[in-house]
Amino acid sequence: DGGITQSPKYLFRKEGQNVTLSCEQNLNHDAMYWYRQDPGQGLRLIYYSQIVNDFQKGDIAEGYSVSREKKESFPLTVTSAQKNPTAFYLCASSNRDRDSPLHFGNGTRLTVT
Amino acid sequence: GNSVTQMEGPVTLSEEAFLTINCTYTATGYPSLFWYVQYPGEGLQLLLKATKADDKGSNKGFEATYRKETTSFHLEKGSVQVSDSAVYFCALRNNQGGKLIFGQGTELSVKP
Repeated sequence: DGGITQSPKYLFRKEGQNVTLSCEQNLNHDAMYWYRQDPGQGLRLIYYSQIVNDFQKGDIAEGYSVSREKKESFPLTVTSAQKNPTAFYLCASSNRDRDSPLHFGNGTRLTVT
Repeated sequence: GNSVTQMEGPVTLSEEAFLTINCTYTATGYPSLFWYVQYPGEGLQLLLKATKADDKGSNKGFEATYRKETTSFHLEKGSVQVSDSAVYFCALRNNQGGKLIFGQGTELSVKP
C-alpha cells in the first residue's frame, strides 16, 4: 500500500539535544511538507520541498532544519535552538499541481523535558 | 495574502442533527479548496475537495460547495453520527507545488 510513514510515533528527549524525525513516502510525490500542531493553534508550516535537493522555509522555520537528498525522504531535525519543541509533528506529501491534496502521515509526538 | 477562517469550536451536536461548519477564505487568483478530518492522535485525512467555482465536493455524507461570490466553502452533513466526532480543517492551495494553508480547525463532538 502506498502511503507516508512517520517514525517513531512517540519521542522523548532531554532539553539541549537535537532530535531527527523521520518521514518516508512511496507515493512518488515531488513535494513534501512538515507541519507543527499545537493545541488550539491549528497547523503551522515549518519547511517544505517541491523537488529533490531543494526546500523552502515555512512560517516557523527557526530552530528546525531539513534535507531532501532523496525523493522518498524528508527528515526534520529539531535543534536545541527551538525554544518550545514539544508538539505534534505532521509530515505530508503531494503532487505539485494546485488541485492535488496533501497526504499526511500519522504524526510524531515529541516531548522535550 | 492567503488565509482561511473557520467557525470556532467546539461544536456539540446530538446524533442525527444537521451539521454546518463555516469556512471563508481570502486568496489571490483561483485556489483549490479542501476539507480534512483529524481523529484523536492521528494525522489528517482528506474528506473532500473542490477545484473551481460552483464545484461541490462530497464524501461519506459530507458536502461543501465552492462559492466564489461569498469566498466560502462551508461543510455540511444532514445527519451526524457519534463516529463523526473529530477535528475538521478547511484549507486552500493556490499555486503549483505550493503549500496548503489551513484554518484553525473546528472540533466536533457528537453525543448519542
